[in-house]
Amino acid sequence: GESVGLHLPTLSVQEGDNSIINCAYSNSASDYFIWYKQESGKGPQFIIDIRSNMDKRQGQRVTVLLNKTVKHLSLQIAATQPGDSAVYFCADLVTGNQFYFGTGTSLTVIP
Amino acid sequence: DGGITQSPKYLFRKEGQNVTLSCEQNLNHDAMYWYRQDPGQGLRLIYYSQIVNDFQKGDIAEGYSVSREKKESFPLTVTSAQKNPTAFYLCASSIGDRVAQKAFFGQGTRLTVV
Repeated sequence: GESVGLHLPTLSVQEGDNSIINCAYSNSASDYFIWYKQESGKGPQFIIDIRSNMDKRQGQRVTVLLNKTVKHLSLQIAATQPGDSAVYFCADLVTGNQFYFGTGTSLTVIP
Repeated sequence: DGGITQSPKYLFRKEGQNVTLSCEQNLNHDAMYWYRQDPGQGLRLIYYSQIVNDFQKGDIAEGYSVSREKKESFPLTVTSAQKNPTAFYLCASSIGDRVAQKAFFGQGTRLTVV
């Protein structure tokens, strides 16, 4: 079954503020994590990934933090824009196994 | 351009009929996956395949069947045994189990059974 879950199903932020989306996982053997963005009616798009030997990775306006001690993953979006409104999923992978996805957080950006 | 293509985008079928959803990738990926997504919910794994001519059941395989005769193709058949087939179906592919790499998704097929 699923090994990841999310703390909040919805999140509303003011345009220009930073967003933080959280995710918990339960499988200590998970060695790879991904964040996806899904817009309505479309397939998920890759945002950023992180391996278990790292605790932080930065992309363009996004940062993923991994805390293996408490099995927690977060996605930080800087200066949130209206185009960031979407559902965000975290997924984990145990190499040689399949991806498991959380239930998603719906982010709404208020102009 | 390399990518993963699902067709059709919308599909309507009568109850009791089998229907096959297409998924093709030209990324030279070994692994392919089928997920089901219901409104307001996450992705649930139906089947996955790590290599040609081999596939494994996911969490919700009942009422579905797949084949993997070619590396590029992983069609999903929704059979009449699937009690609630109306959903959004997503196909994905990744390099495979040799190394953990991101999965790429198609744009999905929305199946409506009436």
